[in-house]
Amino acid sequence: GAVVSQHPSWVICKSGTSVKIECRSLDFQATTMFWYRQFPKQSLMLMATSNEGSKATYEQGVEKDKFLINHASLTLSTLTVTSAHPEDSSFYICSARAGSLSGANVLTFGAGSRLTVL
Amino acid sequence: AQSVTQLGSHVSVSEGALVLLRCNYSSSVPPYLFWYVQYPNQGLQLLLKYTTGATLVKGINGFEAEFKKSETSFHLTKPSAHMSDAAEYFCAVRGTRSYNTDKLIFGTGTRLQVFP
Repeated sequence: GAVVSQHPSWVICKSGTSVKIECRSLDFQATTMFWYRQFPKQSLMLMATSNEGSKATYEQGVEKDKFLINHASLTLSTLTVTSAHPEDSSFYICSARAGSLSGANVLTFGAGSRLTVL
Repeated sequence: AQSVTQLGSHVSVSEGALVLLRCNYSSSVPPYLFWYVQYPNQGLQLLLKYTTGATLVKGINGFEAEFKKSETSFHLTKPSAHMSDAAEYFCAVRGTRSYNTDKLIFGTGTRLQVFP
């Protein structure tokens, strides 16, 4: 089945530094990937939709300059948290769809990346 | 617009007992409905989905859910709980005619505890 890989799974960084999280579709091409953020014991909140070859679409309230998304190929999307602060500490999950937009094709989720900003 | 309400943030059952996790949805268009499971520090795994056709949907690990349009519900059940079922469960909805993406809207989740 479709597999989505995220790297790193855990990252700890100092406040003020930038962190990049990669999301790869391993056995399929994904023109669209989605980035979610999950706070402890809460649900997943969609941050942005990553589109291959074009700008990402951000949800209301998400700072595009803070969370940079690059979808440079059909199998890779990256999320960069710039100038990270402790409040950016969270679990970030990406997802991608194997299949066309028109169907009820299921999103495949990565295992998530836990970011801790000291 | 779509939304999902999961009643009960925590559900506890004994091993072997019936599992019932409640989900009600709101959608202005016919919905696609999903149940996902999340184990600690992991991503989400699809349990089952409803698109069209049969309203009783069977998923993995013995779970099933029934789409009831009149009640706008999509409750998740399993006849006999197993210790390995302990996890966080999310109900999600998306419209069948999304205008730009197929964004999934998640409920707040229900944590299932299974006691021996």
